[in-house]
Amino acid sequence: DSGVTQTPKHLITATGQRVTLRCSPRSGDLSVYWYQQSLDQGLQFLIQYYNGEERAKGNILERFSAQQFPDLHSELNLSSLELGDSALYFCASSSRPGGNTGELFFGEGSRLTVL
Amino acid sequence: SQQGEEDPQALSIQEGENATMNCSYKTSINNLQWYRQNSGRGLVHLILIRSNEREKHSGRLRVTLDTSKKSSSLLITASRAADTASYFCATEHQAGTALIFGKGTTLSVSS
Repeated sequence: DSGVTQTPKHLITATGQRVTLRCSPRSGDLSVYWYQQSLDQGLQFLIQYYNGEERAKGNILERFSAQQFPDLHSELNLSSLELGDSALYFCASSSRPGGNTGELFFGEGSRLTVL
Repeated sequence: SQQGEEDPQALSIQEGENATMNCSYKTSINNLQWYRQNSGRGLVHLILIRSNEREKHSGRLRVTLDTSKKSSSLLITASRAADTASYFCATEHQAGTALIFGKGTTLSVSS
């Protein structure tokens, strides 16, 4: 058990819909990262937050947004869903100070299926 | 793209044999890490090697790093069926930047 909790584990929805994925980092970890894993693209970095502030952006679509709340949990919002958004979405956290990366602790992921 | 590439994409061996996976990357790194993923599960950190290190060991794992060739290798000695998983290298190109993952090597160890 990594200590990172993601909900929901599975989600099936229709094209055009909006979903919210939730992540609780390990106790004390200030950094949260979101990754998308699909068969064709592999594991793609989406966005990073550190102590409530956006730290870095990767290949995140404009239809996607995220935030980190004062209690350090994070949410990834996916809107206007398309078939190609079907993937496994991972949250990871890091304990390194100052937002340095170091070792990442991954949750079990949220599997999104868009029909 | 900074994304690393693992080689081979898939590897099948017998229990007791050694497994070697390679990772290449394109631009300079701060550190390189290896992760393991069991089918459909979260990734688990295995080992981190810094850019000024050449070799690191952890149990049955041995990682080497050649920054002049921009490559790393992961050796798993005396493989077990439980080692069956996908293995990913991940690079941190500048301190504090997000890890960039390769597409992974799928290892199958049969008993």
